[in-house]
Amino acid sequence: DIQMTQSSSYLSVSLGGRVTITCKASDHINNWLAWYQQKPGNAPRLLISGATSLETGVPSRFSGSGSGKDYTLSITSLQTEDVATYYCQQYWSTIFTFGSGTKLEIK
Amino acid sequence: DVQLQESGPGLVKPSQTVSLTCTVTGISITTGNYRWSWIRQFPGNKLEWIGYIYYSGTITYNPSLTSRTTITRDTSKNQFFLEMNSLTAEDTATYYCARVRRGVFDYWGQGTTLTVSS
Repeated sequence: DIQMTQSSSYLSVSLGGRVTITCKASDHINNWLAWYQQKPGNAPRLLISGATSLETGVPSRFSGSGSGKDYTLSITSLQTEDVATYYCQQYWSTIFTFGSGTKLEIK
Repeated sequence: DVQLQESGPGLVKPSQTVSLTCTVTGISITTGNYRWSWIRQFPGNKLEWIGYIYYSGTITYNPSLTSRTTITRDTSKNQFFLEMNSLTAEDTATYYCARVRRGVFDYWGQGTTLTVSS
């Protein structure tokens, strides 16, 4: 299986600030990467697919980048509603796997 | 609008078998190019993909669970199902059903909690 590593379990950011969440795959995944946002009590919500493509309705302050094994999710102008846990997921392999999540908190 | 809704017993005893149902509205589960999946989230929030059923009926399982997992469907009711046997406490989790679009989970149900305890 391809292992997905999110090295930061928690990140604390100021309102209006910028944050970058990282995700590293154990093998090349050719941009077959998605990002999800999960708020307490809710199911995950798809934000980005194909490493960089924003889903309809997702604010433009969210963006994704990366290639090969290394990917990032960036959020600019952080809002209170962005407080959530963020997960990456690879779909290059037929066995889909998720990162362990990065919980975003307001400083 | 596409919606998914899970249902299940909530509590089962160790070694028993559980059946979960996902009812889909807003789209037929036989619509081409989509897969219909089960995912679980453990206490502590780790996410694990369980398996999916294609619009055609073909099924793919996570190899770590294939020996005790069965996914089926009832197209007349637009439902798909997860059956898991030989349950242990380690199967305690929130179980989600989701639509798979080209490998990503774009619509999710709200989840059903399963507790395995005597």
